[in-house]
Amino acid sequence: AQSVTQLDSQVPVFEEAPVELRCNYSSSVSVYLFWYVQYPNQGLQLLLKYLSGSTLVKGINGFEAEFNKSQTSFHLRKPSVHISDTAEYFCAVSEFQAGTALIFGKGTTLSVSS
Amino acid sequence: DVKVTQSSRYLVKRTGEKVFLECVQDMDHENMFWYRQDPGLGLRLIYFSYDVKMKEKGDIPEGYSVSREKKERFSLILESASTNQTSMYLCASSSFLRGLGTQYFGPGTRLLVL
Repeated sequence: AQSVTQLDSQVPVFEEAPVELRCNYSSSVSVYLFWYVQYPNQGLQLLLKYLSGSTLVKGINGFEAEFNKSQTSFHLRKPSVHISDTAEYFCAVSEFQAGTALIFGKGTTLSVSS
Repeated sequence: DVKVTQSSRYLVKRTGEKVFLECVQDMDHENMFWYRQDPGLGLRLIYFSYDVKMKEKGDIPEGYSVSREKKERFSLILESASTNQTSMYLCASSSFLRGLGTQYFGPGTRLLVL
């Protein structure tokens, strides 16, 4: 069965510092991987996704993630964060199968302060 | 752009009331999903649908039912609301053929059951 583990529930950083939000998954088959962001009192917005091809994926707002199949990881990174990046971030996985629902991690709260 | 709308942003109901949460998507997606989101628990799948009049139970279907009479509309029904159903409810839609299952979310409905 699939599962997703976000290794940090909260990540506090200072503005302009780099950040990495960690995500590991388990699955017996090939997968698609996603990162979503949720700003306060809003729905989830797609940040980036890995479907195939290059293992380094670039998303919106300067974020990127790297798919590492051997380590079953899909960590999210940004070289310099802004106050406006403060939000909750969710990693999700689905299997190579039509219509399969996403399995979400429990989320990581990124708090950026000045 | 995909647009997923939910009928209410905030809702207050009394214990025992029947509650309807409506979700509409405008991208002709075949898949639609209902999640609930609670602090520390992430997103949990309640029900999903792969086609009109078709539904599948997710991880936590107890106390809920759904209806999908038209492709663009997916309703979540709380037959007799209870205080433990106080939560944020998120609707999503996707198409495997167009987007390989990437889910697009509505803004959420925050439900308070008194």
